[in-house]
Amino acid sequence: GQQVMQIPQYQHVQEGEDFTTYCNSSTTLSNIQWYKQRPGGHPVFLIQLVKSGEVKKQKRLTFQFGEAKKNSSLHITATQTTDVGTYFCAAEYGNKLGFGAGTILRVKS
Amino acid sequence: NAGVTQTPKFQVLKTGQSMTLQCAQDMNHEYMSWYRQDPGMGLRLIHYSVGAGITDQGEVPNGYNVSRSTTEDFPLRLLSAAPSQTSVYFCASSRTAPATEAFFGQGTRLTVV
Repeated sequence: GQQVMQIPQYQHVQEGEDFTTYCNSSTTLSNIQWYKQRPGGHPVFLIQLVKSGEVKKQKRLTFQFGEAKKNSSLHITATQTTDVGTYFCAAEYGNKLGFGAGTILRVKS
Repeated sequence: NAGVTQTPKFQVLKTGQSMTLQCAQDMNHEYMSWYRQDPGMGLRLIHYSVGAGITDQGEVPNGYNVSRSTTEDFPLRLLSAAPSQTSVYFCASSRTAPATEAFFGQGTRLTVV
């Protein structure tokens, strides 16, 4: 089964509102990756977090890795219609990359 | 560079038919994998390969075979298609182990009737 649990499954926001998706694991992770998939498209890599407590920013996107390396979050400030899609976290276990179920983001303009 | 190329993009099969989904990458990546994507279930790993000549099973391997005779190619074979295999299939590659950025193909939308 999935090694990481992701919530919420779905979020519908008004354009300009903030959005956050969370990724949780019962075990300590060596690293975590985040991907975005536009409707009808394929997953595209956004970022990888490796260090405990790490925070990285990409324009309006802020990624955090928990101090215990068991959880992560992706926060989007002031969403735009271009942010629509599904956001996945992914974690390595053994030689495999396991994905969360994803959070579908819809933005009302 | 083309990146990861999957063919075909769409396919309809009858129950019991077999077929091969093709995947090729031109980035000299060692690690390649196949996922299926179903609504609400994210991406589930079918098979993966850490290098030419080496393959292993993922979460949902039943009904699928793979081989890795070259670094570039990683075909996925459906032995006897079933309606439960209706899904979108993605091939991905990364430079080494899975803890590096994965590049995905465009996907194959498969319907089994």
